[in-house]
Amino acid sequence: DGGITQSPKYLFRKEGQNVTLSCEQNLNHDAMYWYRQDPGQGLRLIYYSQIVNDFQKGDIAEGYSVSREKKESFPLTVTSAQKNPTAFYLCASSETGLEQFFGPGTRLTVL
Amino acid sequence: AQSVTQPDIHITVSEGASLELRCNYSYGATPYLFWYVQSPGQGLQLLLKYFSGDTLVQGIKGFEAEFKRSQSSFNLRKPSVHWSDAAEYFCAVGGGLTGGGNKLTFGTGTQLKVEL
Repeated sequence: DGGITQSPKYLFRKEGQNVTLSCEQNLNHDAMYWYRQDPGQGLRLIYYSQIVNDFQKGDIAEGYSVSREKKESFPLTVTSAQKNPTAFYLCASSETGLEQFFGPGTRLTVL
Repeated sequence: AQSVTQPDIHITVSEGASLELRCNYSYGATPYLFWYVQSPGQGLQLLLKYFSGDTLVQGIKGFEAEFKRSQSSFNLRKPSVHWSDAAEYFCAVGGGLTGGGNKLTFGTGTQLKVEL
């Protein structure tokens, strides 16, 4: 079955640590996205990539980094510079950038 | 800049009753419009989309939405709600990104509660 997988489902981070969230898709989509979801704020775009080896900052990129070395993978690193990282993180992919398909999400909690 | 407003944060309906969730958008050109549904702790699932053509679009799970350009609205409707419809619903508008590609802008969501 084609789809998007995210791992881990739950992640705990200590203050000052970097953590990496995994996102893999087998839909053969060129475009991939990372969103952050906080209660009452909807989804906010962190980074997006329209093609391998290229990515762009979204609306709230500070404190985050990404890479796109393979078409099927788009990992997100939450760095120690992100002051309030506790949130639900969603990865999506798209053939056109319009109709986006979402993974199941990773819940990150700072201890 | 594109934006989406979902004026109702919470809505409660009785099972079997009809449902309408409101969505208003701001976009400079013909918008691409979407409704997604999210169950607790899960990702988003696409319910339906509007790109062009017939302004009444049918989606999955018995949902439909009507695009009204004059009102900048894309309200989601269902004639008879089931208890399993309890979830959070997001409206989104799509458009161009600087440098190419497209971006979705989401509303803040409407939490639907269904009373048995």
